[in-house]
Parts: sequence; C-alpha cells; structure tokens
Amino acid sequence: QVQLQESGPGLVKPSQTLSLTCTVSGGSISSGYFYWSWIRQPAGKGLEWIGRIYTSGSTNYNPSLKSRVTISVDTSKNQFSLKLSSVTAADTAVYYCARVGDFFPYYFDYWGQGALVTVSS
Amino acid sequence: DIQMTQSPSSLSASVGDRVIITCRASQSISSHLNWYQQKPGKAPKLLIYAASSLQSGVPSRFSGSGSGTDFTLTISSLQPEDFATYYCQQSYSTPLFGQGTRLEIK
Repeated sequence: QVQLQESGPGLVKPSQTLSLTCTVSGGSISSGYFYWSWIRQPAGKGLEWIGRIYTSGSTNYNPSLKSRVTISVDTSKNQFSLKLSSVTAADTAVYYCARVGDFFPYYFDYWGQGALVTVSS
Repeated sequence: DIQMTQSPSSLSASVGDRVIITCRASQSISSHLNWYQQKPGKAPKLLIYAASSLQSGVPSRFSGSGSGTDFTLTISSLQPEDFATYYCQQSYSTPLFGQGTRLEIK
C-alpha cells in the first residue's frame, strides 16, 4: 500500500519561499508509470492543482503558478519536493501531495494527509 | 481553458435519499472525468474514474455516468457516512477540479 506524507514548515513569512517535501513509502517512487503531484486547498475552498513531476525529472505546472513553482524529485530518498516563491497570504492553504498515473484517465489515487502552511509575518 | 461547473454547490438530503450531482465541462473532455469525496480535515478520496468506473473498495451505491461535456455522480441510497463534499476533476488537459458540492444532512 503506497503512502505519502508531507513535511515542512507550517509558517512562512510573506515574500519568502514555501518548501515542502513528500515522502513516499510502500513502493518505489521510480517504479511504474506515475506522476507525483502537488495540490492545495485554502480553508473552506476548492482544490487547485499546482504541478507534477515524473521520475525522469520532467515537470508540468499550473500556468497560474508557473512563474513561482519548482517541483523536484530525489529518487534515492523516495521523495519529491515543492518550492513556491514570493508567497503572500493568498498562498495559505493545506498542501497535499498525490500520485497520478501516466495513463488514461489520469486520476489521483493516493494522497498524503495534507500539510497546513500559513503565510504570515 | 476548460472550465468545470459543478451543481448544486450545496445539497441537503436525508439518509436513504437518491442524490445526483452534476458536473459540466466547457468543452468536450470525452470520459476524462473523475469524482472524489472529501470529509472535513481529510484528503480527497477517489470514488469514480473515467466517468463511470468504480474505484476498488468504493460501495456500489456510488455510480457515475456521462461523456463529452455532461457528467453525473449518483448516490443511490444515502448513508450517514456519505455526508461530505464531492469534487469532479477533469483530466483531459491541465488537471482542474470543480468547485465542489457540499452534501449535508436534512
């Protein structure tokens, strides 16, 4: 059973960079044909896809966040990471990592429990 | 860009009711449509993929239908554990979720 777990600071100051890591257990991040994604959810609001990475290092980002987002992978640690720069209060949200297959119909089947990140001075 | 419109945004129903939630895409997405259930403080859970396929372990009272631009999620007989928020998600292009339908107890 694949499990994902987010980790990182819960408080980030405005204009700084938000950094989160997702650790995958129960299977190798390099096995199979999967993308590894980040999704966020502001309190009381809907879900927003941030971006994804393949274990080859290939990435795709939400156009609305592309200029500020970097997703990377460390296969030796079975982890992938999110960096979001120049954060504002609008970036306060629960951040989820999730797995999505590299094949139709591209659904998110495994999710982390979520990490609340608050942007505040 | 493809837009997803879910309706209703909220719904009150009773245990045993049949409930239908709809999701409409602004252009055809074939059957690239998935449904998730989210309970407070929890991550979303996949219910239906490819518009009508039931994810393993999900009760058969959940079903999905549709293709092209119009899709539905049906819960045939509501159970107490089904009161949650439901999201559709198109996977035809950049992943995009609907705005959600909050299902509350009447």
